[in-house]
Amino acid sequence: SQTIHQWPATLVQPVGSPLSLECTVEGTSNPNLYWYRQAAGRGLQLLFYSVGIGQISSEVPQNLSASRPQDRQFILSSKKLLLSDSGFYLCATDRAGTGELFFGEGSRLTVL
Amino acid sequence: AQSVTQPDIHITVSEGASLELRCNYSYGATPYLFWYVQSPGQGLQLLLKYFSGDTLVQGIKGFEAEFKRSQSSFNLRKPSVHWSDAAEYFCAVGSYNTDKLIFGTGTRLQVFP
Repeated sequence: SQTIHQWPATLVQPVGSPLSLECTVEGTSNPNLYWYRQAAGRGLQLLFYSVGIGQISSEVPQNLSASRPQDRQFILSSKKLLLSDSGFYLCATDRAGTGELFFGEGSRLTVL
Repeated sequence: AQSVTQPDIHITVSEGASLELRCNYSYGATPYLFWYVQSPGQGLQLLLKYFSGDTLVQGIKGFEAEFKRSQSSFNLRKPSVHWSDAAEYFCAVGSYNTDKLIFGTGTRLQVFP
């Protein structure tokens, strides 16, 4: 079965600093990968979606970017963090053809 | 427009009481429906899913949900809540021809002893 690893688990960064959150997937090949953000009191917002190496779809305009340098690696980045980037970031993969998602444990980002 | 509505932001129940969490959806295609649970500071775990067939589906931890097409609903139920069920619950909808789920805003469940 698929296993998703995310790190770091928690991160406190000043406004204007860069960001790199990493996600790796085990137990599957050529997975679809997703980055979601969960802000306080809000649901899950899909940020990025990738069907393969170098293939990234952005769902909403924002201060963040994503990259997929390897088949099972998905990275969320920012050059300059904003206060509004604070939140809980979840990486996910899916069971092909069903839409069922498997989530990592999440990375909590606090921007001060 | 495709959407999922969870009308209850926060629900409080006593341990041992029954529970029903509401979920309504608006979706153009035949829906796949999901309920996920999130414990504090954790990722999401799948509780149950509906793709087709029997409209009453059983999940983990004693949860069940019923798909009612006429009401565009997929409510989650449990006959007797345990303190460990305190968490946030998300309903989601997708379909066979899309890889992207649409999530509701979640319902936070608090359980009193």
